[in-house]
Amino acid sequence: KAGVTQTPRYLIKTRGQQVTLSCSPISGHRSVSWYQQTPGQGLQFLFEYFSETQRNKGNFPGRFSGRQFSNSRSEMNVSTLELGDSALYLCASSFHSPSTNEKLFFGSGTQLSVL
Amino acid sequence: KQEVTQIPAALSVPEGENLVLNCSFTDSAIYNLQWFRQDPGKGLTSLLLIQSSQREQTSGRLNASLDKSSGRSTLYIAASQPGDSATYLCAASSSNTGKLIFGQGTTLQVKP
Repeated sequence: KAGVTQTPRYLIKTRGQQVTLSCSPISGHRSVSWYQQTPGQGLQFLFEYFSETQRNKGNFPGRFSGRQFSNSRSEMNVSTLELGDSALYLCASSFHSPSTNEKLFFGSGTQLSVL
Repeated sequence: KQEVTQIPAALSVPEGENLVLNCSFTDSAIYNLQWFRQDPGKGLTSLLLIQSSQREQTSGRLNASLDKSSGRSTLYIAASQPGDSATYLCAASSSNTGKLIFGQGTTLQVKP
């Protein structure tokens, strides 16, 4: 069965632009969560969606937003990009919400570079 | 606020050695503690998940333990192999917020 798919794999943008990243969870999984990974801050939780509803949100500014569609695919959007938004963005899926005792399955990530 | 710390940040061992990676967390109100492996430029692979009511989990050469009272978890890797070279991350799932809080990871190099 196919794993978690994230597109695009690499992205280069300039400051002030906006970007949309996509995540397709494992078939049948209804929960998608997003994380930002940087060398300095490590892995930080962005938000979690379950059955099209945002269930949890991390401590990121409002420029970071997301949504989940009826087929469980999720997108995250970053507006007015800043240099500090350069990072590896990872999404993870699970059948239930992550606050249950269930393993998470991660995609390979989208490497975003802001110039 | 939950904080997760991993020591050491990097570790280099010869092939065949048994080793222990350490993870500590400040808030014992956790749902579970998970260990992940990350290869360079890749996503995370879940290795072991220990529920808050459990003391340990085993998978092949890997054994993870959890001591909530002391806020510690360890990942034991037996008979290490060069293919074990990767970054290992632990993450605590907060029972208060439902969020997964990650440590900074331990980068392991196993030399042939």
